[in-house]
Amino acid sequence: AQSVTQLDSQVPVFEEAPVELRCNYSSSVSVYLFWYVQYPNQGLQLLLKYLSGSTLVKGINGFEAEFNKSQTSFHLRKPSVHISDTAEYFCAVSVYNQGGKLIFGQGTELSVKP
Amino acid sequence: DGGITQSPKYLFRKEGQNVTLSCEQNLNHDAMYWYRQDPGQGLRLIYYSQIVNDFQKGDIAEGYSVSREKKESFPLTVTSAQKNPTAFYLCASSTDRSNQPQHFGDGTRLSIL
Repeated sequence: AQSVTQLDSQVPVFEEAPVELRCNYSSSVSVYLFWYVQYPNQGLQLLLKYLSGSTLVKGINGFEAEFNKSQTSFHLRKPSVHISDTAEYFCAVSVYNQGGKLIFGQGTELSVKP
Repeated sequence: DGGITQSPKYLFRKEGQNVTLSCEQNLNHDAMYWYRQDPGQGLRLIYYSQIVNDFQKGDIAEGYSVSREKKESFPLTVTSAQKNPTAFYLCASSTDRSNQPQHFGDGTRLSIL
């Protein structure tokens, strides 16, 4: 069975500092990887996805993520955060050739302080 | 613009009452999903449907029911059997291909009166 672990439930950071949100997954078969962002009282919005090819994926709002197959990780990074990046971030995987069902991590709450 | 519409945004339920949450999509997606979100627990899958007139239980289906009579619509009923219904409910849809993301509505917050 597949699983997703987000290693930090909360990440406080000061404005303009870099941030990394960590995601590890477990799967015996090939997966696709996604990061979503959720602002308070809203639905989830896709930040970026890794399907194949280059292991460094760029997304919206200046975020990027790196796929590391040997470490089964897909960490999300931003070199300089803004107050507006305060939100909850979810890592998710789907299994190759098994439809669109997603397995989500527990979420990481990013809090950007001035 | 194409998207997913959930209604109402806020809903209150009395003890012993069934309530229905609406989810409509105009993305022409085959698959639709319902999730429950509680603080600190991420998203938990309640039901999903890959095609009209068919649906499958997710991880926490007890106390919930769904129907999929039309491609565009996937309503969720929270029955009186669901003893702890207070949560944020999210509907999503996708093309049902594993390399395509799910698209989400803005959610319905259900509370007990």
